[in-house]
Amino acid sequence: EAQVTQNPRYLITVTGKKLTVTCSQNMNHEYMSWYRQDPGLGLRQIYYSMNVEVTDKGDVPEGYKVSRKEKRNFPLILESPSPNQTSLYFCASSYKGSNYGYTFGSGTRLTVV
Amino acid sequence: KNQVEQSPQSLIILEGKNCTLQCNYTVSPFSNLRWYKQDTGRGPVSLTIMTFSENTKSNGRYTATLDADTKQSSLHITASQLSDSASYICVVITRQSSASKIIFGSGTRLSIRP
Repeated sequence: EAQVTQNPRYLITVTGKKLTVTCSQNMNHEYMSWYRQDPGLGLRQIYYSMNVEVTDKGDVPEGYKVSRKEKRNFPLILESPSPNQTSLYFCASSYKGSNYGYTFGSGTRLTVV
Repeated sequence: KNQVEQSPQSLIILEGKNCTLQCNYTVSPFSNLRWYKQDTGRGPVSLTIMTFSENTKSNGRYTATLDADTKQSSLHITASQLSDSASYICVVITRQSSASKIIFGSGTRLSIRP
């Protein structure tokens, strides 16, 4: 089944403890992206990647890192999480020429206390 | 400033009734517009995509319209079902040179009551 898989689905952590949210897609998509979703604000782009070893900042990149060493994986790294990073996170992927016909993962609900 | 505004923020209707969700945008230059459906606890799923030249596009009981002159889009749901309860997100893509930008609306939360 074609899908974007995120792990974990739920995570509670403490301020300052490094964490990684994994994202993997099995559709050979070139384009991958991370979003956070907060009430009333809609989806905001954190980072995106056009292809392997190519990553760029989105609208809200502060406090986050990403890497794209393989085409299928695009992990999101929080080196020192803070409470304002408590949010619902989505990974998405698409073909380069699909006009952003994203396939989204099921989301990761992160709580930083 | 590129913005996508959706209305209403939330809507409750009875099963079997029709409804229309609105999306106004100030994005320029316009490339295309998508409507996504997001079930609670799930990622958004694309319903339709509309380019500049398209006025209407249907996907089952969902019909999207686009007026590029007034920069408005609507999503009409016919004969609503309980499974239509979800958030509906309007997304506008702008493209300048080789760079594209995606702007998400904050969504309309639709609840269908039996």
